[in-house]
Amino acid sequence: AQSVTQPDIHITVSEGASLELRCNYSYGATPYLFWYVQSPGQGLQLLLKYFSGDTLVQGIKGFEAEFKRSQSSFNLRKPSVHWSDAAEYFCALNTGKLIFGQGTTLQVKP
Amino acid sequence: GAVVSQHPSWVICKSGTSVKIECRSLDFQATTMFWYRQFPKQSLMLMATSNEGSKATYEQGVEKDKFLINHASLTLSTLTVTSAHPEDSSFYICSARGVEAHTDTQYFGPGTRLTVL
Repeated sequence: AQSVTQPDIHITVSEGASLELRCNYSYGATPYLFWYVQSPGQGLQLLLKYFSGDTLVQGIKGFEAEFKRSQSSFNLRKPSVHWSDAAEYFCALNTGKLIFGQGTTLQVKP
Repeated sequence: GAVVSQHPSWVICKSGTSVKIECRSLDFQATTMFWYRQFPKQSLMLMATSNEGSKATYEQGVEKDKFLINHASLTLSTLTVTSAHPEDSSFYICSARGVEAHTDTQYFGPGTRLTVL
């Protein structure tokens, strides 16, 4: 079955701390994976994507993600979180159409 | 680049009326556009996929006679919610996928908040 799982529904980190958001996928072929961010009442903004090649992908706003085929994971990381990073984060798998994870709400403490 | 707009950003209508939402790709041509629905605190639910010049493909459980989709050009798709009822109130988001080979990336609009009274 094709699926995306984001195990953490809600994460709270202090401003300046590092961040890792988890994403696991299930797919029989080479995955095309994406991370999107959504601020309240807004659409989704593409942070980064993985198609092939280098397994460490750099994105916008200082985010990066690492694709690990052996673990079926595509975790999102940021070394130092800013208050403006508070939002909803979605991991997605492209199977011809996007399959989204449930989303992770990031709260940033001052 | 890769900007997608939606209009209106919010709309309030009376039960029984129809509402049209536009989705435009502003700086690229989109052979395929997607329409999603999002309930509060939930993920996106794909409603339909539309390809320019052809009929939309609806996901299981989505009423095609209620949610009319037209993709008349490479930069414009419209979603019309016909005879809207309060249960149709939701956040509707479109996305567009470019014509470039192997990009396979969807770019999302800002969403439209529909409230049916």
